[in-house]
Amino acid sequence: EAGVVQSPRYKIIEKKQPVAFWCNPISGHNTLYWYLQNLGQGPELLIRYENEEAVDDSQLPKDRFSAERLKGVDSTLKIQPAELGDSAVYLCASSFGKGGEAFFGQGTRLTVV
Amino acid sequence: GESVGLHLPTLSVQEGDNSIINCAYSNSASDYFIWYKQESGKGPQFIIDIRSNMDKRQGQRVTVLLNKTVKHLSLQIAATQPGDSAVYFCAEANYGGSQGNLIFGKGTKLSVKP
Repeated sequence: EAGVVQSPRYKIIEKKQPVAFWCNPISGHNTLYWYLQNLGQGPELLIRYENEEAVDDSQLPKDRFSAERLKGVDSTLKIQPAELGDSAVYLCASSFGKGGEAFFGQGTRLTVV
Repeated sequence: GESVGLHLPTLSVQEGDNSIINCAYSNSASDYFIWYKQESGKGPQFIIDIRSNMDKRQGQRVTVLLNKTVKHLSLQIAATQPGDSAVYFCAEANYGGSQGNLIFGKGTKLSVKP
């Protein structure tokens, strides 16, 4: 069975440009997370979905970040416009409901120049 | 605020020795704890978890110990192998309450010397 799939793996963009990341969670997992990971740090939650509903987006910088999870399966995370400080790894994870381990994708490494 | 942290940022062990990675947490309401392993260029990989109604759980070559009195979590790796070299993160959650998110610590880098 395929794990959490993210694309692209790497992305280099100029500041002020838009960028989007895509995530396909493990089949049957209704909970989906987007995390941001800076170098040498632990992942930090951006948003959590239960099915198609964003149940916790308190850490999402809503002036430039947006996310959606249509039909409660795949999800996209968008940044517009990107800033230099957005350079990081963006991780997607999924779990079967709340209360257990989350399975992570390989992440998208974003470099803003 | 509440946070999860690690005592040792780096740990170097000899192949075949046992490794112990420690983690302190501050949210006494946390009821679920998990250890992840992250290799370079990859996402975190689940190792083992434990719920607050337990104080010890064993897996294959790994053991997690939970001491709620001092809010301390540890990961023990038996007979450490070169393939165990990675960054290890502990994370906590309060699934029984309103905090349904995993909160991660900063990580400990484990280096295994052959």
